[in-house]
Amino acid sequence: EPEVTQTPSHQVTQMGQEVILRCVPISNHLYFYWYRQILGQKVEFLVSFYNNEISEKSEIFDDQFSVERPDGSNFTLKIRSTKLEDSAMYFCATRLDSGANVLTFGAGSRLTVL
Amino acid sequence: AQTVTQSQPEMSVQEAETVTLSCTYDTSENNYYLFWYKQPPSRQMILVIRQEAYKQQNATENRFSVNFQKAAKSFSLKISDSQLGDTAMYFCAFFGNEKLTFGTGTRLTIIP
Repeated sequence: EPEVTQTPSHQVTQMGQEVILRCVPISNHLYFYWYRQILGQKVEFLVSFYNNEISEKSEIFDDQFSVERPDGSNFTLKIRSTKLEDSAMYFCATRLDSGANVLTFGAGSRLTVL
Repeated sequence: AQTVTQSQPEMSVQEAETVTLSCTYDTSENNYYLFWYKQPPSRQMILVIRQEAYKQQNATENRFSVNFQKAAKSFSLKISDSQLGDTAMYFCAFFGNEKLTFGTGTRLTIIP
C-alpha cells in the first residue's frame, strides 16, 4: 500500500536553529498538508498546499514557518528560528485530488527544541 | 468554521466488551465527511472508519461501526468485542473546506 514517508523521525535542535522536515507524498497525490501535535494535545492544522502554492494556513503558521516542494517530490516544512513551544510531532498528510476526502498520514517527525 | 468536540477525555473497558466513543461537530456545510482515527503509542495516525454525510446508512468496518445522526451533528464510534490492541487515542475528524479538523481525542484503555 502506498505510503507517505517523513524524515527525520526524530530531531533534537537548539532554540533559534532552523529545522527542515521532509515528506515524500504518495506519487499521484496532489494535495499536501502539515499538521502539528503537541504532546498530549489535539492534532492541529498548519497549512495546506496545492499546485505549488499555499491553499490555506492557520494562525499557528506564522512567518517562522514556510513550505515548499522544491524538486517536485519532497514536500518540506521549514521552521526558521525554532522556539521551545515548537516541540511537537509534525505530521505530513496527502490527498489524491479534489474529489477525494481521505488524507493519508505519514508516521510523523518528532521535533524537540532545547 | 467547523468545530469537533469529544467530551470523553478518557475511557476504559474490559477486554471483549463493547465501548462507544462520542463526537459532536458543528458546521454550516451540507456536504462533508467524518472520520475516526486511531493513534497508538507509536503516534501513527491510522484511519479507522469514515462516513459520507449524504449517506444515511451508518458505516461499518469489522468490529467498528458508527452512529451518525446528521440532524443532531453527532458521530459516535462503537467498538465491539474490544481487544488489547484497541488501546489508543481516538480522534474524531471532520473533512470540509478542503481540510481535516480534529477533536481533542479520547484515550481508550482496554483492560485485560
